[in-house]
Amino acid sequence: SAVISQKPSRDICQRGTSLTIQCQVDSQVTMMFWYRQQPGQSLTLIATANQGSEATYESGFVIDKFPISRPNLTFSTLTVSNMSPEDSSIYLCSVARTDFTDTQYFGPGTRLTVL
Amino acid sequence: AQTVTQSQPEMSVQEAETVTLSCTYDTSESDYYLFWYKQPPSRQMILVIRQEAYKQQNATENRFSVNFQKAAKSFSLKISDSQLGDAAMYFCAFSNTGTASKLTFGTGTRLQVTL
Repeated sequence: SAVISQKPSRDICQRGTSLTIQCQVDSQVTMMFWYRQQPGQSLTLIATANQGSEATYESGFVIDKFPISRPNLTFSTLTVSNMSPEDSSIYLCSVARTDFTDTQYFGPGTRLTVL
Repeated sequence: AQTVTQSQPEMSVQEAETVTLSCTYDTSESDYYLFWYKQPPSRQMILVIRQEAYKQQNATENRFSVNFQKAAKSFSLKISDSQLGDAAMYFCAFSNTGTASKLTFGTGTRLQVTL
């Protein structure tokens, strides 16, 4: 499996501000994804981060709120914009390797609290 | 759309005993993948076991095994010789084959391991 890191591991932010979360993987991967896990809930896919092109967003998530970048095959960022307390969640990135695209491996997550 | 149902919000098992976590899913596809992920309090999502729908043989990984019943759309996880370190949230997940590899998660089962 790939080694995946996320920064920051946690943050407390004020409403109306933005936070950018970084996801770094130690090897080239085909697919990178961003999930949200609201308190006490399961994981919900936000978007698929596409290398060199715009991300593919799931229903209920929009680019203006969650802009995503993926400049290369090992790095992606998710920005949570104009935050409100409802954005308080764990945000996780996951990757699927080039040779094993059906299995996703997850980063350690970023715990975001919005006051 | 695919759905994944975990009907047991919480389960408890004594150390060294065996426990089975239930999962059912709904799909019109014939080829897909099923997964069990573990999320301890550290919040890291850890892959426990993976099953390809086209394989009749149930997957096993050390103390973890599945009972995959394709016709019944059932995918239960059996943990043998339970250990204190098995205490966590367990999520059942589904993905279609193909390059998208989107994961649909169940709501999770919290497993407690007692002495």
